[in-house]
Order: sequence, then C-alpha cells, then structure tokens
Amino acid sequence: EAGVTQFPSHSVIEKGQTVTLRCDPISGHDNLYWYRRVMGKEIKFLLHFVKESKQDESGMPNNRFLAERTGGTYSTLKVQPAELEDSGVYFCASSQQLASNEQFFGPGTRLTVL
Amino acid sequence: QKEVEQNSGPLSVPEGAIASLNCTYSDRGSQSFFWYRQYSGKSPELIMSIYSNGDKEDGRFTAQLNKASQYVSLLIRDSQPSDSATYLCAVTYPNTGNQFYFGTGTSLTVIP
Repeated sequence: EAGVTQFPSHSVIEKGQTVTLRCDPISGHDNLYWYRRVMGKEIKFLLHFVKESKQDESGMPNNRFLAERTGGTYSTLKVQPAELEDSGVYFCASSQQLASNEQFFGPGTRLTVL
Repeated sequence: QKEVEQNSGPLSVPEGAIASLNCTYSDRGSQSFFWYRQYSGKSPELIMSIYSNGDKEDGRFTAQLNKASQYVSLLIRDSQPSDSATYLCAVTYPNTGNQFYFGTGTSLTVIP
C-alpha cells in the first residue's frame, strides 16, 4: 500500500512569489491534515479535511494560505504571496478513522523563501 | 496553553541497552498519545499509539501512560544503531478536534 506522498520535496522561491504544495493521502483515507515545522520549533497543525470539507482550519496562519481538496482525494496548499517566515517543512498526514486518529505522515515539502 | 514537552537530547545509549524517552503534556483531559520516529529528511513514522493508563508493548517498544502525572514515555529495549533517529511525541487535547500537538522531539543515538 502506497503511503502519503507530497510534491515537490523541495521548493525555493523568492518573497512575493506563489507556491503550491500537493499531497496525495493514502487511498481510502477520508481525513487529511496539513502541518508545518519551522526551524527549531515543533510541528504545528494547520488544518484538517474530512473528504472535501474543511473540518478545522484553526491553525492556518493568515489568508495568504489557501488549502483545497477538490473531490476529496489529493489536496493542495497554496501560499500567495510567500513571505520569509513561511519557510519550513510542510507535512501532510492522512487517517482512516477518527476514533483511533492514527495519522500517517508524508515526507514533507521543504519550502525556502528567499 | 497546550504544551508538549520533550527533552531535546541528544540521548546516547550503547547498543543493546534500554532507551527511555519521556514526554509531558499540559492537559489532564488529553485522550490520545502517539510516538513517531523520524529519520533525517524522512516521514515521521508512527511507532505506538496509547489511549489508556498503563503499558502497551509492541515488539521492542513499550509505551507507558500515566494520566495522573501527565506523562507518556517510550522504552526501546535492546536498542540497535538503526533506532538512531528523532522521536516525536504527539498528543490530542479535548475540544480541539483531531489535531496533534507535538513536542520538539528527542534525538536518540545508539552507539555500536
């Protein structure tokens, strides 16, 4: 069974540009999560989809971040315009059951904003 | 304030020894606790989940949960060099949905 995949693995952009990150969850997982780790800090929650609906977006830092999950399969996270403080590793996770809440993580996308 | 605290380490143990990793959290109402292992540049990999007080064993790994004292620990028996990684503790808090709160992780090195 394929795990959670993310694309790209690395992205280097300049301040003010736009970047779109993609996550493909494990097949059949209705729950999809985005997290972010900035350097030296812990991994922090951004938002949670159940199928195509945003269940919880309390961790989204501001309106420069837009997440979508059209059709309830893969998800994209767009940052527009990017700022220096957006640099970090963006992780996606998916889970099948809310009861156990075991979340399976992808390898992350390392975003560097110059 | 929802906090998850881990000793950042590095923690070094000789091969074959028991490695003990600890995690404390700030809300007694927390229900779910997870340990992840992360090799550099790789995905955090789920090792253990624990929901009830006491011990849960899976192979060389044992998770211990004490809700009264608000800590969860991970013991690795017969440590191997391949266990060298960063170990992340994740906790869910009441009324915050399914989001995980992570500690900063403990770096473990197993010395051959």
